[in-house]
Amino acid sequence: KAGVTQTPRYLIKTRGQQVTLSCSPISGHRSVSWYQQTPGQGLQFLFEYFSETQRNKGNFPGRFSGRQFSNSRSEMNVSTLELGDSALYLCASTPMTGGYGTEAFFGQGTRLTVV
Amino acid sequence: AQSVSQHNHHVILSEAASLELGCNYSYGGTVNLFWYVQYPGQHLQLLLKYFSGDPLVKGIKGFEAEFIKSKFSFNLRKPSVQWSDTAEYFCAVNFGADSNYQLIWGAGTKLIIKP
Repeated sequence: KAGVTQTPRYLIKTRGQQVTLSCSPISGHRSVSWYQQTPGQGLQFLFEYFSETQRNKGNFPGRFSGRQFSNSRSEMNVSTLELGDSALYLCASTPMTGGYGTEAFFGQGTRLTVV
Repeated sequence: AQSVSQHNHHVILSEAASLELGCNYSYGGTVNLFWYVQYPGQHLQLLLKYFSGDPLVKGIKGFEAEFIKSKFSFNLRKPSVQWSDTAEYFCAVNFGADSNYQLIWGAGTKLIIKP
């Protein structure tokens, strides 16, 4: 079974630009979560999508947005990039079976550098 | 708000030493508990998890963790570490409906094993 796939792996953007990151979950997983990982802040939850609906949102500005498609693939978008947005962006998929506590499976991440 | 604390941000040990990494969480209700590991350059992967039953949980690579409900703790242990255990370790807790079924993460512990 293929794992969680994130593209691209590395990205360099200029301040003020926007960026779109993509995540393909494990087949059959309907929940996709996004995290920002930085050395100082650890893992910060961005948002979670389930069946094309955003179910949960973390404490990030509106420049961070996402969506999920009918095939469960998800994208996140960051507009008006700032230097502080440089981070590893992780996607995790979960086989939501109605309850909580199921394991999250992570992709390799997209390393975004804003210059 | 629910929170997860990992008290040791950096731990340095020699090979064959015993390891214990602390994880405490706030809240007194039902929780599901996880330890994840991130080896250098690799994606986050699950070490072990606790949902219910025996509070002593065994995971991969010789790791185990003990859930102590009265202390709100889920400490990770390994009797004898190896150089290959050098990684960052994250504790995560799902507080169920009270966290919208989201994982709440600790800040992580960087473990360095000296050969």
